[in-house]
Amino acid sequence: DAGVIQSPRHEVTEMGQEVTLRCKPISGHNSLFWYRQTMMRGLELLIYFNNNVPIDDSGMPEDRFSAKMPNASFSTLKIQPSEPRDSAVYFCASNPSDRGFYGELFFGEGSRLTVL
Amino acid sequence: SQELEQSPQSLIVQEGKNLTINCTSSKTLYGLYWYKQKYGEGLIFLMMLQKGGEEKSHEKITAKLDEKKQQSSLHITASQPSHAGIYLCGALSGSGTYKYIFGTGTRLKVLA
Repeated sequence: DAGVIQSPRHEVTEMGQEVTLRCKPISGHNSLFWYRQTMMRGLELLIYFNNNVPIDDSGMPEDRFSAKMPNASFSTLKIQPSEPRDSAVYFCASNPSDRGFYGELFFGEGSRLTVL
Repeated sequence: SQELEQSPQSLIVQEGKNLTINCTSSKTLYGLYWYKQKYGEGLIFLMMLQKGGEEKSHEKITAKLDEKKQQSSLHITASQPSHAGIYLCGALSGSGTYKYIFGTGTRLKVLA
């Protein structure tokens, strides 16, 4: 079975440009999580969805960040405009449950973003 | 809000040595998860602990959750270079909406 698929794997862009990161969760999984990982701050939860509905976006750092999940098989994380401090590895993860007790999260390989 | 602190932050051991990584929560844990991350890759689930005093093992890795459910330890016996990576503990935080948060991570290097 295919795991969580993220694209692009690497993105290098210039400050001010729009960045869109994409995630395809495992089929049948009802929860989807977006994380950001940096050396300084570790792995931070940005937002998570249950059944395509955003449940908690308190981790989204600023209005420049937005996330959508238009259907059960696709989610995007958008940064507009991007800044050098947004440089990080962004992970998407999914889980079968939609009831709060999640157990194991299944992670994608991550999207490494560099903003110059 | 709940936070997870891990210690040590980094660890370098000689192959064959035993080691322990700790994860401490500021609040009672209702589920504690251990993950391993190889450099440049996503996280891989190792095991989950739920009950106070619970202990689980997988190959040479053993994880325990203390009776008060505020601290967990991950112990590796006879470490190998394949054990190298970043170990993270995770837990559900909050009530109502459950945030799946992670600890600060422990970077392990095993010297052959």
